[in-house]
Amino acid sequence: KQEVTQIPAALSVPEGENLVLNCSFTDSAIYNLQWFRQDPGKGLTSLLLIQSSQREQTSGRLNASLDKSSGRSTLYIAASQPGDSATYLCAPHGGNTGKLIFGQGTTLQVKP
Amino acid sequence: NAGVTQTPKFQVLKTGQSMTLQCAQDMNHNSMYWYRQDPGMGLRLIYYSASEGTTDKGEVPNGYNVSRLNKREFSLRLESAAPSQTSVYFCATNQGGGLHTEAFFGQGTRLTVV
Repeated sequence: KQEVTQIPAALSVPEGENLVLNCSFTDSAIYNLQWFRQDPGKGLTSLLLIQSSQREQTSGRLNASLDKSSGRSTLYIAASQPGDSATYLCAPHGGNTGKLIFGQGTTLQVKP
Repeated sequence: NAGVTQTPKFQVLKTGQSMTLQCAQDMNHNSMYWYRQDPGMGLRLIYYSASEGTTDKGEVPNGYNVSRLNKREFSLRLESAAPSQTSVYFCATNQGGGLHTEAFFGQGTRLTVV
């Protein structure tokens, strides 16, 4: 059974800092891994999808890496802004069904 | 292009009442999913449909039923609501079948059972 852990659970940083969010998963037989953002009371917004054959994906100030063999992914946020404040969720996609299994998320607060 | 649309957005039920949550997607995706999100528990998979005509149980299926009406629509039914089913429910879609596509989520249905 796939289990996903995200560390840290919460993070508070001053504006402008670079930061790293960590995600680990127990079953390396995944197809993709996706990072999402969730604002309070809202749905999930897709940030990045890393295919199993890739090691990295970039979108603007976001960079996500994937190491399937060690069961780890990281989300790097450069030059953080108050608007980045949200909960960040990682979710490996498993098997032919494409099921996503979620971690508990990292809640980020960026202070002006 | 609406993406994934859930109805209703909010609902209050009395214990024992029934209701159906609706989800429709216009992304031509094969697979659809229902999740619930609870504080401290994260998102948990209730049921999923890997393709039109198939449905399977997820992690927390008890108390729920689903129908994949066609490729676009996947509904979740609570036959006899219980306070433990108070939660935020999300519908999601992706292409499935081992294909490398993003999953997309609806905006959620906030359900309170009193």
